[in-house]
Amino acid sequence: DAGVTQSPTHLIKTRGQQVTLRCSPKSGHDTVSWYQQALGQGPQFIFQYYEEEERQRGNFPDRFSGHQFPNYSSELNVNALLLGDSALYLCASSFTGTGITNTIYFGEGSWLTVV
Amino acid sequence: AQTVTQSQPEMSVQEAETVTLSCTYDTSENNYYLFWYKQPPSRQMILVIRQEAYKQQNATENRFSVNFQKAAKSFSLKISDSQLGDTAMYFCAFMSNTGNQFYFGTGTSLTVIP
Repeated sequence: DAGVTQSPTHLIKTRGQQVTLRCSPKSGHDTVSWYQQALGQGPQFIFQYYEEEERQRGNFPDRFSGHQFPNYSSELNVNALLLGDSALYLCASSFTGTGITNTIYFGEGSWLTVV
Repeated sequence: AQTVTQSQPEMSVQEAETVTLSCTYDTSENNYYLFWYKQPPSRQMILVIRQEAYKQQNATENRFSVNFQKAAKSFSLKISDSQLGDTAMYFCAFMSNTGNQFYFGTGTSLTVIP
């Protein structure tokens, strides 16, 4: 049983460009959350998707957007990249029906470097 | 708003010894969950232990245990019989009972010395 898979593992983009990161949740999971982890910091919540809709959003600008597909996979899009967007982007999946929370699994993340 | 504070950026412990990592948090909620996650160099967050705020008994998972002081809003992690594989970043995290997002601390880098 595959866990949470994220792609790409690493990528380098130029300021002003756009990037799309992808996440496939663990089998049986229907909820996907995205976190940004800057170097030396703890992860910060970006948003959560459930039933193909954004259910909750953290304190991130509109340049950060997402999507969830009918198969529960998700994309994180960042437009007009800034140097400060350089970070590890983590995806976490869970099954809403079970409530909290030792059922939350994280992927290994996508390293984004903006130059 | 919820905040989580880890005041120990780095710690080290001799193999087989015991170490305690500190965490404090701030919330106005009464029902919530607290977690310790381990992040090894692979960067994948791995759940170490979880505590429900409504439970007075401290959670334990093998060599890992917590000291949960709700009134003091303190949630420390004790690792007994430290092993080389325990070397990692450790994050304390808070989640309200709505269960939609984690609030993480800034982490403690733990090194187990052979």
